Amino acid sequence: DGGITQSPKYLFRKEGQNVTLSCEQNLNHDAMYWYRQDPGQGLRLIYYSQIVNDFQKGDIAEGYSVSREKKESFPLTVTSAQKNPTAFYLCASSWQTTHYGYTFGSGTRLTVV
Amino acid sequence: DAKTTQPTSMDCAEGRAANLPCNHSTISGNEYVYWYRQIHSQGPQYIIHGLKNNETNEMASLIITEDRKSSTLILPHATLRDTAVYYCIVAGTASKLTFGTGTRLQVTL
Repeated sequence: DGGITQSPKYLFRKEGQNVTLSCEQNLNHDAMYWYRQDPGQGLRLIYYSQIVNDFQKGDIAEGYSVSREKKESFPLTVTSAQKNPTAFYLCASSWQTTHYGYTFGSGTRLTVV
Repeated sequence: DAKTTQPTSMDCAEGRAANLPCNHSTISGNEYVYWYRQIHSQGPQYIIHGLKNNETNEMASLIITEDRKSSTLILPHATLRDTAVYYCIVAGTASKLTFGTGTRLQVTL
């Protein structure tokens, strides 16, 4: 079955450590996205990529980095520069050339202690 | 992309139709209306989208006013499993959808 996989589901890290969240899709989607969600809030866009080897900052990119070396993969690194990294992180993918909707992963809940 | 305004929360009795409104008075001609929902602690799920005609699929119906300044998502027979946050989004393409805080729909017995 086609889908989008995020791992791990729960992640704990010590303050000051970088951490990388995985996102893999086998839907052959062109575009991929990372969102952050805080309790009781909507989703905020961190980074997005429309093609391999290219990505753009979203609304809250500071303290995060991404890469897009393969069409299927769009990992997100939460760096020590991110002041408040504890949150629910969601990855999504979509076709670039149609108006079909996004497909979301099940999310990674990151807790920094 | 145009901004949207949705009620913070709504209640609906199980088995009744749930009608979720959305205002998007600044929508432009090439912008679509998208609806997603998010069940607690899961990723959002696409429901339906439309440009100017009313749309229906197996999940819901989307009614867009003639002037396109507002729309209504209709869940014809709400069940407890429809309890979720519903997001109305207006965007020119499928890229960079911006999710606000949505409407929290509570379906009750």
